[in-house]
Amino acid sequence: EPEVTQTPSHQVTQMGQEVILRCVPISNHLYFYWYRQILGQKVEFLVSFYNNEISEKSEIFDDQFSVERPDGSNFTLKIRSTKLEDSAMYFCASKGQRTEAFFGQGTRLTVV
Amino acid sequence: AQSVTQPDIHITVSEGASLELRCNYSYGATPYLFWYVQSPGQGLQLLLKYFSGDTLVQGIKGFEAEFKRSQSSFNLRKPSVHWSDAAEYFCAVATSNNAGNMLTFGGGTRLMVKP
Repeated sequence: EPEVTQTPSHQVTQMGQEVILRCVPISNHLYFYWYRQILGQKVEFLVSFYNNEISEKSEIFDDQFSVERPDGSNFTLKIRSTKLEDSAMYFCASKGQRTEAFFGQGTRLTVV
Repeated sequence: AQSVTQPDIHITVSEGASLELRCNYSYGATPYLFWYVQSPGQGLQLLLKYFSGDTLVQGIKGFEAEFKRSQSSFNLRKPSVHWSDAAEYFCAVATSNNAGNMLTFGGGTRLMVKP
């Protein structure tokens, strides 16, 4: 069964450092998303990406965040200068035209 | 903007007992509704979804949910809970007029199963 793959599963970084979270969506999907879940809180939408551009973003997705689909298979989330409050589980998801969203296993980001 | 409320943060049931997890949503039109399950350290797995049609939908692992427009609810049910059902359950809504269909999640209900 096709699945969304995220790497790494756990990333520890120092405050102020840049991190890149990587995702390989399901191959024939068209819509790509990043969500995050701060420990003990609800899953929150960050950004959606379609046709090589951001289609929607939340208030959380400020100038410190960016997304890219560099080679037609990977979908990355970059945080330029991490803050302690960026510590969370980050989920990538992808969706076909008429399917539900499929989620990856998540990357746990710890900022120290 | 749409929102989702899951009133029960924690629920404990005995193995073999029936289960109902509550979900209420706020959205002006007919939403797309989902239930996801998250086991410890795992990602989000779709249990079932409602797009249109029959308001009682069947999902995986013996779960079902009923869409009640008059109550703005989409409660998840299972007639007999198994120990492996212990997990966190998230209700989510997507708006029908959003081509990208981004999801708004409820706060989750953590289910514990007693032997």
